Amino acid sequence: DAGVIQSPRHEVTEMGQEVTLRCKPISGHDYLFWYRQTMMRGLELLIYFNNNVPIDDSGMPEDRFSAKMPNASFSTLKIQPSEPRDSAVYFCASRDRVSGEQFFGPGTRLTVL
Amino acid sequence: GENVEQHPSTLSVQEGDSAVIKCTYSDSASNYFPWYKQELGKRPQLIIDIRSNVGEKKDQRIAVTLNKTAKHFSLHITETQPEDSAVYFCAARSRGGGFKTIFGAGTRLFVKA
Repeated sequence: DAGVIQSPRHEVTEMGQEVTLRCKPISGHDYLFWYRQTMMRGLELLIYFNNNVPIDDSGMPEDRFSAKMPNASFSTLKIQPSEPRDSAVYFCASRDRVSGEQFFGPGTRLTVL
Repeated sequence: GENVEQHPSTLSVQEGDSAVIKCTYSDSASNYFPWYKQELGKRPQLIIDIRSNVGEKKDQRIAVTLNKTAKHFSLHITETQPEDSAVYFCAARSRGGGFKTIFGAGTRLFVKA
């Protein structure tokens, strides 16, 4: 298995633009998590899904952020409109249903100018 | 809400010495405590974990201890090597929270050769 796949790896955009981050979890994993990492705030859980259903989105900072998981192999995190303070590394992770271990993707480094 | 505190934020040790990182958690229902290592520019990766039914677990130079009564858990690295230099995150997960994992703020470990 290739592990958790995220795209793009780097995104540079201008304030006000829409940004869509993509994630493909490891096949067979039952939970999918979206995290944001910054120097100031560390690693923050934004939202997570169980069997494609959103369970807890209390970490989503504002209505500008939305996430979907249309099927077991794909999820998106969208920011519309983007702001400079959204600049961060966004990680997607999926959970092995047997071991409970979370596996992180390589992350998307987002820069909003 | 749930909270995980981690100390110290930065730790510098001489190669060969031991390093200890401590965490406390607030949710008494937490039952799974993973530790992640994140090298510069890389994704967090699980290095060891412990469940609430044991007090200690060891894997070569790494050990983790758990005190459920005090809601403390610690990571111990012995015979540190320069390649141990990284940011280490503790985390706590409560099954009652739908497998929501709360991360500590991280400890930046420097191992000087």
